Amino acid sequence: SQTIHQWPATLVQPVGSPLSLECTVEGTSNPNLYWYRQAAGRGLQLLFYSVGIGQISSEVPQNLSASRPQDRQFILSSKKLLLSDSGFYLCAWRGTGKFPYEQYFGPGTRLTVT
Amino acid sequence: AQTVTQSQPEMSVQEAETVTLSCTYDTSESDYYLFWYKQPPSRQMILVIRQEAYKQQNATENRFSVNFQKAAKSFSLKISDSQLGDAAMYFCAYRSGGGADGLTFGKGTHLIIQP
Repeated sequence: SQTIHQWPATLVQPVGSPLSLECTVEGTSNPNLYWYRQAAGRGLQLLFYSVGIGQISSEVPQNLSASRPQDRQFILSSKKLLLSDSGFYLCAWRGTGKFPYEQYFGPGTRLTVT
Repeated sequence: AQTVTQSQPEMSVQEAETVTLSCTYDTSESDYYLFWYKQPPSRQMILVIRQEAYKQQNATENRFSVNFQKAAKSFSLKISDSQLGDAAMYFCAYRSGGGADGLTFGKGTHLIIQP
């Protein structure tokens, strides 16, 4: 079965510091991968998605970037964090087989920028 | 661009009773998919139920069912025999039929279960 991991689970970073959040998927190959952000009391907003190694599509202009160095690894980064980057970050992968259009989420990373 | 609207920020229901959460969406597409996700206090997003727009039959998963009204662009979730474990945020989500696009989410409904 497929599983998705995210780390760290919680992160507190000062303004201006760099960021690296990692997402890995097991049990599938060449998945579509997604990064979402959930601000306090809000729904999820799509940030980036990737259909393969080195292929990144950005949905929202912002202080963040994404990379996909390996087939099942998706990384969210920032060179200098802003207060507005605080939130809950979720990675997701797109299903295959019987339901190839739905998404399954990782446990998320809670980021607080101070 | 597609939009998803959940007009009920919070709903409350007695344990064992039935509750319906509302969702409307705006799209010009004919091929799409709709979902309800549950987010408990752990914040893990859990897929509850899915509906393909081309299917007229409403989806059902155990105590969860939907009322899909394509012409009205409405997609409500009915929870029967509510249980304490159903307490969570519920999000309605839309996905286009083609491409690799992500999901568009509503702002969510906070469901409270009264014991």
